[in-house]
Amino acid sequence: GNSVTQMEGPVTLSEEAFLTINCTYTATGYPSLFWYVQYPGEGLQLLLKATKADDKGSNKGFEATYRKETTSFHLEKGSVQVSDSAVYFCALYSSGGYNKLIFGAGTRLAVHP
Amino acid sequence: DGGITQSPKYLFRKEGQNVTLSCEQNLNHDAMYWYRQDPGQGLRLIYYSQIVNDFQKGDIAEGYSVSREKKESFPLTVTSAQKNPTAFYLCARDPLFRTGRTYEQYFGPGTRLTVT
Repeated sequence: GNSVTQMEGPVTLSEEAFLTINCTYTATGYPSLFWYVQYPGEGLQLLLKATKADDKGSNKGFEATYRKETTSFHLEKGSVQVSDSAVYFCALYSSGGYNKLIFGAGTRLAVHP
Repeated sequence: DGGITQSPKYLFRKEGQNVTLSCEQNLNHDAMYWYRQDPGQGLRLIYYSQIVNDFQKGDIAEGYSVSREKKESFPLTVTSAQKNPTAFYLCARDPLFRTGRTYEQYFGPGTRLTVT
């Protein structure tokens, strides 16, 4: 079945460091791919998305490119800030059976000054 | 809040009691979802509804019930049959049938339920 695998956290970085959070997926067809961010005690916020191969989603300095050949959607940011500390979820939208989001387990990011 | 409100933010109940979590959206979207989140885990789908008076079970529906009598409201009842009800519950809306965008979901702030 469809699934999403994320790198395990926590990821701990110093401010202004480069961030990569790996995400790979298993799916039939051409799913849409998403990154969501969850700040402590809050719901999830849509960070960015990509709907077809080679699309690049971007928002707030974060980027991710839909790579069908490697079934990946890695999240990157060139210079993280303390305020980026949160849990990041990779997800795909599966239309098989019923439309639903399938989430990875989440990766906690901690950024220190 | 992503156009969706959940109340209360924290809820405490004794084991054996049913409890209902509220979810309201004000954007006239057809599709609404309930997810459960446990520490260190991703979200798991409990129920979803795409039209009024219709809803479908998700991956972990046992011990839960929902209703969809109005488009803007999708309450979730955690029954005494749910063996491990303590969790963070998230409601989401989806403009699936109303816009040309692809399958985005927008989440409420969540309700943290603790059952002792």
